[in-house]
Amino acid sequence: KAGVTQTPRYLIKTRGQQVTLSCSPISGHRSVSWYQQTPGQGLQFLFEYFSETQRNKGNFPGRFSGRQFSNSRSEMNVSTLELGDSALYLCASSLDAGGTEAFFGQGTRLTVV
Amino acid sequence: KQEVTQIPAALSVPEGENLVLNCSFTDSAIYNLQWFRQDPGKGLTSLLLIQSSQREQTSGRLNASLDKSSGRSTLYIAASQPGDSATYLCAVGGNAGNMLTFGGGTRLMVKP
Repeated sequence: KAGVTQTPRYLIKTRGQQVTLSCSPISGHRSVSWYQQTPGQGLQFLFEYFSETQRNKGNFPGRFSGRQFSNSRSEMNVSTLELGDSALYLCASSLDAGGTEAFFGQGTRLTVV
Repeated sequence: KQEVTQIPAALSVPEGENLVLNCSFTDSAIYNLQWFRQDPGKGLTSLLLIQSSQREQTSGRLNASLDKSSGRSTLYIAASQPGDSATYLCAVGGNAGNMLTFGGGTRLMVKP
């Protein structure tokens, strides 16, 4: 059974650009959550999607957005990139609505220059 | 707002030692607690999930306990090995979906 797949693994972008990251959850899982990991702030929750609906949102500016497709794959988008957006972005897949085990992908390392 | 703290932030032990990692949380109204392992530059690997109604979970050399009333969880690693070297993270799930609140992690080094 394939795990959580995140693409691309590495990205280098210029300040002011936008970026789209992709996450394919484990087959059959319907919940996808996104997290940002930085050395200074640790792991912070961005948002969660379940059945194509955003259920929870963390404390991030509106430049961070996401969506989920009918096959449960999810994308997150960051517009007008800032140097501080450099981070490891992690996606977590869970079976259903709440309280189930989270499985993480390998992450996308975003560097903004 | 839930806050999760992990102590110590770093730990270095000789191979073979038994060790305990600590995790505390401020809001006892949790749905579950999960322990993860992270190797440098990699994603998170789930180790153990404890539901709020459970007191402990075991997997191989790992045992995690949960005391909701006191807001604490411990991860016990028996007979540590160099391959156990990694950062260990605990995360608390509340009643709002699958959102997890993470502690800052404990960086463990097991020396041969």
